[in-house]
Amino acid sequence: GAGVSQSPSNKVTEKGKDVELRCDPISGHTALYWYRQSLGQGLEFLIYFQGNSAPDKSGLPSDRFSAERTGGSVSTLTIQRTQQEDSAVYLCASSFGGTRSYNEQFFGPGTRLTVL
Amino acid sequence: SQQGEEDPQALSIQEGENATMNCSYKTSINNLQWYRQNSGRGLVHLILIRSNEREKHSGRLRVTLDTSKKSSSLLITASRAADTASYFCATSLFSGGYNKLIFGAGTRLAVHP
Repeated sequence: GAGVSQSPSNKVTEKGKDVELRCDPISGHTALYWYRQSLGQGLEFLIYFQGNSAPDKSGLPSDRFSAERTGGSVSTLTIQRTQQEDSAVYLCASSFGGTRSYNEQFFGPGTRLTVL
Repeated sequence: SQQGEEDPQALSIQEGENATMNCSYKTSINNLQWYRQNSGRGLVHLILIRSNEREKHSGRLRVTLDTSKKSSSLLITASRAADTASYFCATSLFSGGYNKLIFGAGTRLAVHP
């Protein structure tokens, strides 16, 4: 089946605008994760969904960042009043989840966000 | 803050040579994984080593784990130009009902023909 997809692949916006980033996980994966990767850096965890709930949103950097997931499938990451420091690649991953056994995370291609 | 730290930050070698990348971490883990990333986009899972394992092989990849030193290494043997990418280690700890991945900053590998 299809892998994790993300849209848009690239987004250029002006400082102060709101943006929405979309993630379509692999069908049947109950767990979904958002990460942020700044230029030349590793991945920074943002939020974890199990089904439609987010038991761990500890990585969201400020209240300008929010995310939701509907129908246990598609997730949207929203950044309000974007700032230049929000410029990064936003990666989504999905996995089977909810058990102690490790479940491999499958990553989407990411959305490159540029805030001018 | 990120748990893993990797060295070197960048590595440049010739085709056919071996490439070794190291990763250190700070807390206890369930397992450690290595990922590859081409051109700053999606990550591909390479190999997972559990906390009770010391060494694991997959094709040209060899991973070691030393939990006493909280460190891991990834060896790519007989490198090819197509191995050029960034490589990240990620530690996994079951916390809050799920396996949370914490990534290192990565090693940028360049393999020259």
